[in-house]
Amino acid sequence: SQQGEEDPQALSIQEGENATMNCSYKTSINNLQWYRQNSGRGLVHLILIRSNEREKHSGRLRVTLDTSKKSSSLLITASRAADTASYFCATDGGSWYAGGTSYGKLTFGQGTILTVHP
Amino acid sequence: KAGVTQTPRYLIKTRGQQVTLSCSPISGHRSVSWYQQTPGQGLQFLFEYFSETQRNKGNFPGRFSGRQFSNSRSEMNVSTLELGDSALYLCASSSSGGAEETQYFGPGTRLLVL
Repeated sequence: SQQGEEDPQALSIQEGENATMNCSYKTSINNLQWYRQNSGRGLVHLILIRSNEREKHSGRLRVTLDTSKKSSSLLITASRAADTASYFCATDGGSWYAGGTSYGKLTFGQGTILTVHP
Repeated sequence: KAGVTQTPRYLIKTRGQQVTLSCSPISGHRSVSWYQQTPGQGLQFLFEYFSETQRNKGNFPGRFSGRQFSNSRSEMNVSTLELGDSALYLCASSSSGGAEETQYFGPGTRLLVL
């Protein structure tokens, strides 16, 4: 089962506009990551935000995390046609120190399909 | 540094056959995780290996198995293939599989079962 749900499922914008995607998750986490996937290929890591962080920036990306609401958002500013892709949030299990049962496991949301029109 | 590599990139099999997929992690990474991606179920965790030991396993039937070699390369095997096994299989590597680490993904192997 998926840990998170992403909203919207699909987003269509024009080049130069900002794109905001939201992710909600169910269990406690140590960190949350965002990945991009182009046309059914491998996932490209975008950014990792730890549970004790509230906001993080990387280039045109801004990620926020609200652990009280179990939600995160990814903002892409000044979008480009090359940003067209599916975007996924992924969380670790959170139960790392209780038997180490979450080693190497990420739980993904269903993803947001972003289309940026030139 | 070379990224995560997966072979083969595409594979067509028939029901009942078995298949082996290979993953070479980033040099120095010792943790390898496998995921299955389908349109219906999305990305689902299969298992994780570290130092040739399976440390974590997802909710998949026993037909799905894997192993890791001393050089950290990993293989996964699916026996008695079913139509529903058609998917993109992704592997990811990290230094030790810890919660604070980023996982780096390979390009995937697209498996089609006829």
